[in-house]
Amino acid sequence: GESVGLHLPTLSVQEGDNSIINCAYSNSASDYFIWYKQESGKGPQFIIDIRSNMDKRQGQRVTVLLNKTVKHLSLQIAATQPGDSAVYLCAALTRDSNYQLIWGAGTKLIIKP
Amino acid sequence: NAGVTQTPKFQVLKTGQSMTLQCAQDMNHNSMYWYRQDPGMGLRLIYYSASEGTTDKGEVPNGYNVSRLNKREFSLRLESAAPSQTSVYFCAVHLTWTEAFFGQGTRLTVV
Repeated sequence: GESVGLHLPTLSVQEGDNSIINCAYSNSASDYFIWYKQESGKGPQFIIDIRSNMDKRQGQRVTVLLNKTVKHLSLQIAATQPGDSAVYLCAALTRDSNYQLIWGAGTKLIIKP
Repeated sequence: NAGVTQTPKFQVLKTGQSMTLQCAQDMNHNSMYWYRQDPGMGLRLIYYSASEGTTDKGEVPNGYNVSRLNKREFSLRLESAAPSQTSVYFCAVHLTWTEAFFGQGTRLTVV
């Protein structure tokens, strides 16, 4: 089955710098990869997804990169702001799991002023 | 706020007690899910309902039951709570396979 894991439990970034949050997955048959943001005391909030046949997808101030060779996914946040402080969750969708999302544990992003 | 409303927000139970977590949505979508979130672990799917009248087991259904009362409401019941069920429970409406809208969560402690 699929497993999804983030490389670092915590990431500290200076305000205004770019943030890069990394995630690894195991199942090369996964169809989609997804990023969510979870603020303290709240439910996860969808950020962006990328289909497995793509290498890159951009959203508003975010870019997701998919490297299928090394089974690695990253979320880049441009010009990090205090409001970006949160836990970032990656997830994978695969038909092997009956199209249920398989979630990683999350990386906590801390913004330094 | 519009979206997904969960009640209660916090609950403490004694081992063996029962309770029902309520979830209601005003998004008029068919798919509703229940997840649990434990420290150091990813979200895990307990049960889901693809449409009114249908429910299916997820990854960790043991110890839980669900009812899809109508299109708006999807409840999760713990018949005999155990300390291992201490967790944060999230109800979500899946707009697509990948995009879900989550409630604020119920923080449950079983002592």
